[in-house]
Amino acid sequence: EAQVTQNPRYLITVTGKKLTVTCSQNMNHEYMSWYRQDPGLGLRQIYYSMNVEVTDKGDVPEGYKVSRKEKRNFPLILESPSPNQTSLYFCASSRGQGRKQFFGPGTRLTVL
Amino acid sequence: DQQVKQNSPSLSVQEGRISILNCDYTNSMFDYFLWYKKYPAEGPTFLISISSIKDKNEDGRFTVFLNKSAKHLSLHIVPSQPGDSAVYFCAASAFNNAGNMLTFGGGTRLMVKP
Repeated sequence: EAQVTQNPRYLITVTGKKLTVTCSQNMNHEYMSWYRQDPGLGLRQIYYSMNVEVTDKGDVPEGYKVSRKEKRNFPLILESPSPNQTSLYFCASSRGQGRKQFFGPGTRLTVL
Repeated sequence: DQQVKQNSPSLSVQEGRISILNCDYTNSMFDYFLWYKKYPAEGPTFLISISSIKDKNEDGRFTVFLNKSAKHLSLHIVPSQPGDSAVYFCAASAFNNAGNMLTFGGGTRLMVKP
């Protein structure tokens, strides 16, 4: 089954404790991206990657890092999480230039 | 400043009637538009899209209309069904060499009453 998976689905952590949210897709897509969803703001792009070792900032990259060492994986790293990063996070992938994107199920992160 | 806006946070319609969801954008460089549907505890799923060279695209019960001069698009669902109850996001894309960053609206919660 073609899918985008994210882990963990739920996470409660404390300020400053480094964490990684994993994202994996099995569709051999070149394009992957991370979004955060906040009430009334829709989904805002954090980072995206057009292929292995090619990443770039989206609209709200501050406080986040990503890496793309393999085509299928695109982890999101929060080196020092803060409460304003409490949000619902989605990973997405697509072929080519990234128009019709397929989304993972989401990761709900709470930073205390 | 939000480049893509959905001014109605919620919409309630009767089963069998038409649902019309609206979206406005400000960036004239957007050349591709999409609608996504989202159920609770799931990721958004692609519903329908339209290129800026068209003014209408239809897929079954779903039709998207694009008015470029007004920078406005709308999604029509006819007839509406209770299973259509979800949050609908409008998204816009501008192609450039760095790829396609999707810009989303804030979403409209559609409730279809039996």
